Amino acid sequence: QKEVEQDPGPLSVPEGAIVSLNCTYSNSAFQYFMWYRQYSRKGPELLMYTYSSGNKEDGRFTAQVDKSSKYISLFIRDSQPSDSATYLCAMSLNNAGNMLTFGGGTRLMVKP
Amino acid sequence: AAGVIQSPRHLIKEKRETATLKCYPIPRHDTVYWYQQGPGQDPQFLISFYEKMQSDKGSIPDRFSAQQFSDYHSELNMSSLELGDSALYFCASSLPGQPQHFGDGTRLSIL
Repeated sequence: QKEVEQDPGPLSVPEGAIVSLNCTYSNSAFQYFMWYRQYSRKGPELLMYTYSSGNKEDGRFTAQVDKSSKYISLFIRDSQPSDSATYLCAMSLNNAGNMLTFGGGTRLMVKP
Repeated sequence: AAGVIQSPRHLIKEKRETATLKCYPIPRHDTVYWYQQGPGQDPQFLISFYEKMQSDKGSIPDRFSAQQFSDYHSELNMSSLELGDSALYFCASSLPGQPQHFGDGTRLSIL
């Protein structure tokens, strides 16, 4: 079983919908949590970065971390067709500069 | 803003050949990381360097080696290539302890 689990999707939503993307993990030592967006044939692009439990908001994106449940989420409000991509959660141990352990990625399609 | 630059973008090799992938980090970033992403898979960590010293090691085969140079660019050297080495190879860079920023990768195809 993978250390970080992520529903592969694809997740298809209409434009303007609120999207919820989730990851669960098994290693309670993870402390730093990131969300990356990856378009086809491009590298992962850092979206959100959080430390320990709590919420962080940046524009249309909100990241939530619940360490007690080993569960992290990314919410996208007012989703746009340009949000269509694969979303990868990633985590690390002692700091964000440690090796990242990725979830398998969720493919999101936002339909106009 | 300047991003991580990787070269070449595409590389085709035959079995048992060697390959060298290059990575130029974001200016002032002194830490570089290498990841391998197989078809339909998530990136797997290979190795990282901080200030030209290896800082962490993941699932990098013994046939692969890497180094970071004085200008902070890094090279991943791959020998005795196998069909299973066909993948996207990403380099990322960061400031110490900060989140990693990825390049667009080198797509390596082994024939």
